[in-house]
Amino acid sequence: GAVVSQHPSWVICKSGTSVKIECRSLDFQATTMFWYRQFPKQSLMLMATSNEGSKATYEQGVEKDKFLINHASLTLSTLTVTSAHPEDSSFYICSARSLTGADGYTFGSGTRLTVV
Amino acid sequence: AQSVAQPEDQVNVAEGNPLTVKCTYSVSGNPYLFWYVQYPNRGLQFLLKYITGDNLVKGSYGFEAEFNKSQTSFHLKKPSALVSDSALYFCAVRDGNQGGKLIFGQGTELSVKP
Repeated sequence: GAVVSQHPSWVICKSGTSVKIECRSLDFQATTMFWYRQFPKQSLMLMATSNEGSKATYEQGVEKDKFLINHASLTLSTLTVTSAHPEDSSFYICSARSLTGADGYTFGSGTRLTVV
Repeated sequence: AQSVAQPEDQVNVAEGNPLTVKCTYSVSGNPYLFWYVQYPNRGLQFLLKYITGDNLVKGSYGFEAEFNKSQTSFHLKKPSALVSDSALYFCAVRDGNQGGKLIFGQGTELSVKP
């Protein structure tokens, strides 16, 4: 079945530094990638939607200059948290949708970001 | 706007008993509904979906869900719960007007005790 590889699974960084999270679709082409943020035992909050080769669409209240999303190819999308602060600590999850859609969404395994 | 609601934050059942995790939806047009399960510090795993067809949908790990249009519900069920079913469960609806993004319910924590 469809697999999305998300790396790193966890990362600790210092305040003010930037962190990049990668999501790769291993056996299908992900025309659309969704990036979510999740707080402990809470629901997933959609941050942005990206389509290959075009700019990401950010949800209201999400700072696009802080959360940089790149979807340069059909198999790779990245989320960069710039100038991270402790309040950015969270669980980040990507979800890919294929060209054929098939109403299937494949999720990455998530990245636990801790900013100290 | 599309939305889903999971009225229970937590559901507790004994192993071997049937379980139900509730979900209601509000959509314009035909609903595309999903159930996902999440284990601690992991991504979401797909359980099942309803697009069209039979109202009873069978999914992974013995789970099933019943689509009820009149009650706008899509409850997740399993005839006999396992301790390993303990996890966080999310109901979701696809937003056809917003690029196909999924809108999630608030989640229900299922605890199955031996």
